[in-house]
Amino acid sequence: AQTVTQSQPEMSVQEAETVTLSCTYDTSESDYYLFWYKQPPSRQMILVIRQEAYKQQNATENRFSVNFQKAAKSFSLKISDSQLGDAAMYFCAYGMEYGNKLVFGAGTILRVKS
Amino acid sequence: EAGVAQSPRYKIIEKRQSVAFWCNPISGHATLYWYQQILGQGPKLLIQFQNNGVVDDSQLPKDRFSAERLKGVDSTLKIQPAKLEDSAVYLCASSLGRGHYGYTFGSGTRLTVV
Repeated sequence: AQTVTQSQPEMSVQEAETVTLSCTYDTSESDYYLFWYKQPPSRQMILVIRQEAYKQQNATENRFSVNFQKAAKSFSLKISDSQLGDAAMYFCAYGMEYGNKLVFGAGTILRVKS
Repeated sequence: EAGVAQSPRYKIIEKRQSVAFWCNPISGHATLYWYQQILGQGPKLLIQFQNNGVVDDSQLPKDRFSAERLKGVDSTLKIQPAKLEDSAVYLCASSLGRGHYGYTFGSGTRLTVV
């Protein structure tokens, strides 16, 4: 069974600084998809960024980028120029294909200090 | 495009009582998911529907949980009788189906069992 591990229960960052959230996963599949979701107090899960395992190039979405290391089964999220609105719970998730079930890590609470 | 609608937003019940949650997915989304998110943990899939058929209910506690998706649209998740450990946020999500990227979560129902 696939598992996702987030080893940082909580992280803090100063506004405008950069922070990296860690995620490792375990799978025997060669093709899969990885996601970072943001969950604010409103509880709605918001997709931050996604990565297809067959792509070597790391995904980037504005201030958000990932470091995808397939051999090491590592998928970290880097947030640059952190903003107060980035404060939330962040979940790393694994999916065997688009439009199918997701396996989530336990989450990392991100606090942004002004 | 309207999002995934869930109700109620909050529910408090006593143990051994029953409770039901409702979800209305995005129009045209064939696949519907119910996830359970216990405080401090990531969401865990309870059941996945493809149209009105069950694709995966391997982690649904079938002695007390039941779910249905009539006519392949709305879905209801029921717990009877509730236990203290059922206290959690119940998230509904929908997607176009396997192979399709679009995946949207609702804001969830927070259940407290006292």
